[in-house]
Amino acid sequence: GDSVTQMEGPVTLSEEAFLTINCTYTATGYPSLFWYVQYPGEGLQLLLKATKADDKGSNKGFEATYRKETTSFHLEKGSVQVSDSAVYFCAGVYNFNKFYFGSGTKLNVKP
Amino acid sequence: DTAVSQTPKYLVTQMGNDKSIKCEQNLGHDTMYWYKQDSKKFLKIMFSYNNKELIINETVPNRFSPKSPDKAHLNLHINSLELGDSAVYFCASSQVETTTYEQYFGPGTRLTVT
Repeated sequence: GDSVTQMEGPVTLSEEAFLTINCTYTATGYPSLFWYVQYPGEGLQLLLKATKADDKGSNKGFEATYRKETTSFHLEKGSVQVSDSAVYFCAGVYNFNKFYFGSGTKLNVKP
Repeated sequence: DTAVSQTPKYLVTQMGNDKSIKCEQNLGHDTMYWYKQDSKKFLKIMFSYNNKELIINETVPNRFSPKSPDKAHLNLHINSLELGDSAVYFCASSQVETTTYEQYFGPGTRLTVT
């Protein structure tokens, strides 16, 4: 069945390091793809999105490109900050009642 | 203005009790959801309502009953609470007519059953 798989955490990086969090989807079609971020004690917030192949979503220095050939939507940031420490969720959405969230990846950034 | 709000933020109760969590959204969305997040941060969809009609009803105990009095509200009532119900519960909303179906989440309700 359809699903979204993301790399397990936790991921621990030093400040200013490069970040990649992998996300792949298995799908019979082409879902919209999202990255959500959850800061400690808060709800999920939309970080970025892409609705079709080759689209690039970007926000707050984070980027992800919708790659149909590899069914991937990896999250990247060139230089992480301590304030980026959070749990990141990848999601694939077909419509309002067919969607899949990954298991979440916890990112710890040390000063 | 808070887009999706939940009350209470924290709920501590004893096994066997009945409790409710309320959710309201002021985004004008027509679809609302309830999720359960466990201690490992895994997010599980429980229910979804579209225009007050139940759309998604995942395999959850029938002790959990959602109720949508109108499009802006989706409440969750839990009967006979058990230790395993301890989790963070999130409400979310989205708008069907959009092409991206992005969901907006509330701040969560941390339920602790003792």
